[in-house]
Amino acid sequence: SQQGEEDPQALSIQEGENATMNCSYKTSINNLQWYRQNSGRGLVHLILIRSNEREKHSGRLRVTLDTSKKSSSLLITASRAADTASYFCATDAALNFGKGTSLLVTP
Amino acid sequence: DGGITQSPKYLFRKEGQNVTLSCEQNLNHDAMYWYRQDPGQGLRLIYYSQIVNDFQKGDIAEGYSVSREKKESFPLTVTSAQKNPTAFYLCASSRQRGDTEAFFGQGTRLTVV
Repeated sequence: SQQGEEDPQALSIQEGENATMNCSYKTSINNLQWYRQNSGRGLVHLILIRSNEREKHSGRLRVTLDTSKKSSSLLITASRAADTASYFCATDAALNFGKGTSLLVTP
Repeated sequence: DGGITQSPKYLFRKEGQNVTLSCEQNLNHDAMYWYRQDPGQGLRLIYYSQIVNDFQKGDIAEGYSVSREKKESFPLTVTSAQKNPTAFYLCASSRQRGDTEAFFGQGTRLTVV
């Protein structure tokens, strides 16, 4: 089944730094979505990028999509302690998720 | 407020018992999904439904069953055939399958005692 795979599995940075996480997938997609999950909670949708888009912004988030490499990246600029969470990508077919990137932002 | 509600938040089950997890949405979404989340495993798709009275198996459907008699409701039954049911279960819905953003419930943590 189609599945996004996030990289790295874990990321630790300090407040104010930028955080970049990557997602790779295996087959053609119509769109790719990024989600955030705080510990023990449900997922919250962050951003959706369609296959004909290369870049999309939402506040401090920037998502890129390279369909030729079957990869996407999520950049969080000027990170805050409140950004500490797990981040998942999902491809469109049945919303299959990878294992996520666990981000820790320390003050 | 529109949203998706899972209940209960915590559930304890004795070995050999079936248990049903509730998922209700008032977003008028056609598609609904059930996922299982284990530590370090990410989310794995159990079942999904694109329309009332229709549902499809996901990657790990064995030991689980679902029904979709109403658009708003997509209950998941964890049967005694599921050998390792202790996990965090998440329900989600979207306007259509995978085409738009999905909204998630807050999850049910099931523990076998």
